[in-house]
Amino acid sequence: QKEVEQDPGPLSVPEGAIVSLNCTYSNSAFQYFMWYRQYSRKGPELLMYTYSSGNKEDGRFTAQVDKSSKYISLFIRDSQPSDSATYLCAMSAGSSNYQLIWGAGTKLIIKP
Amino acid sequence: GAVVSQHPSRVICKSGTSVKIECRSLDFQATTMFWYRQFPKQSLMLMATSNEGSKATYEQGVEKDKFLINHASLTLSTLTVTSAHPEDSSFYICSARVYYNEQFFGPGTRLTVL
Repeated sequence: QKEVEQDPGPLSVPEGAIVSLNCTYSNSAFQYFMWYRQYSRKGPELLMYTYSSGNKEDGRFTAQVDKSSKYISLFIRDSQPSDSATYLCAMSAGSSNYQLIWGAGTKLIIKP
Repeated sequence: GAVVSQHPSRVICKSGTSVKIECRSLDFQATTMFWYRQFPKQSLMLMATSNEGSKATYEQGVEKDKFLINHASLTLSTLTVTSAHPEDSSFYICSARVYYNEQFFGPGTRLTVL
C-alpha cells in the first residue's frame, strides 16, 4: 500500500463546475500538506500549503485537511479551461525530514 | 512566490557524453535543494536531497556515480548525468526548500540521449 493514494483520473468536468480533488494517506505523522499544479512539460507550481487540520482558502481554491480521517481535499470553484492540468498532493512529517511524499497526481480536464 | 530557474530547459546529447543541469534560486537562499526525475504520465520520483556545503543524500536505487550533485552555494545546485545512455532520457526537475516544508520548483529539463 502506498503512503499517499490519489486517483490518477482523468477527471473531466464542464467549465464553471466545482472540482473536488482528494488524497488519502496512511502515515499519521504527516503534518504539512500541499497541493501542486503541473502543466504538461513544466515544473510543479505550489497552489496551497496547509499545516495540520482545517481549511484554507485562496481565491477560487480551498484546501481541506482532515487528519482524523487521513484525507485531504482541494476544491476549485468556477473552474476554467486554464485549470486543466495535473494536480499533485504532497505531504511531509516535518521536523528534520523535509522530504515530500507525493500522490500519483490527478489529471483534470475542464471542458469549455 | 519564490523563483527557481533551471538551465538548460532542453538538451539532446549523444550516448556516452555527460550533461550538466543547473538549478538556481533567484530571489532567496536555499539551504536544501531536491532533484527529481519524472517519467511521462507519472508522479515525481525523488533522486536526491542536496544540502549546501555537504554531500547529497541519494535515494535507494539512484547511482551516486552516475548522477553527480553539487550544491556549492546557497543559490546553486548542479546535477551532472555522467556517461548518459538512452535510458537516462527523462524530465529532470529541481526544487528548493524555502521555509519549513514548502518546495518551489524549477521549470524542468528535458534530457534526450540518442
